[in-house]
Amino acid sequence: QVQLVESGGGVVQPGRSLRLSCVASGFTFSDYSMHWVRQAAGKGLDWVAVISYHGTNKYYADSVKGRFTISRDNSENTLYLQMNSLKGEDTGVYYCARGPSADYWGQGTLITVSS
Amino acid sequence: DIVMTQTPLSSPVTLGQPASISCRSTQSLVHSDGNTYLSWLQQRPGQPPRVLIYKISNRLSGVPDRFSGSGAGTEFTLKISRVEAEDVGVYYCMQAKQIPHTFGGGTTVEIK
Repeated sequence: QVQLVESGGGVVQPGRSLRLSCVASGFTFSDYSMHWVRQAAGKGLDWVAVISYHGTNKYYADSVKGRFTISRDNSENTLYLQMNSLKGEDTGVYYCARGPSADYWGQGTLITVSS
Repeated sequence: DIVMTQTPLSSPVTLGQPASISCRSTQSLVHSDGNTYLSWLQQRPGQPPRVLIYKISNRLSGVPDRFSGSGAGTEFTLKISRVEAEDVGVYYCMQAKQIPHTFGGGTTVEIK
């Protein structure tokens, strides 16, 4: 069955960096685009970024453009999100989801940006 | 960006009774490939979201048939034919027609 497992979350100070990972299994990872979506506590869902199946095309929400970088390693079935210059408003649970329609989601990893 | 608007904000329902959630988009969700990329997600308390329905009316594997989706263009509906206790949570519609994917604000289904 499709499984997505995120990791890399934690507490980080504003302005610092963090890298999230999402390991996929149960499907041919290299056949699918992949998304990151986040959710602040008690709030709704907020799309962050998407990467094409081959990794060439990447798109970002305006709120993270220039600070976050999405990437993937198809040989390792792993999706990444490099987050730089973190802000308080980046705090939340980050989910990876299988594209193109975000049909399967992981359990999420919590990022807390606080001094 | 496509804006997704859900109604109602909250839906108190008696066990065994039906529930209905509406979702409206600011532009048609019909893609150039002919598909309409509208999904419904369920988020139970303390759980990650999971997709129940994709492309308007297709249930994901393992989703009970009491959940159904309908609609076209810019107007969509999720129906639960007979609400069970495990259906409590927040429901979101999501468009995957174009980047950025966008979500409705959520509808809380609770038991009366």
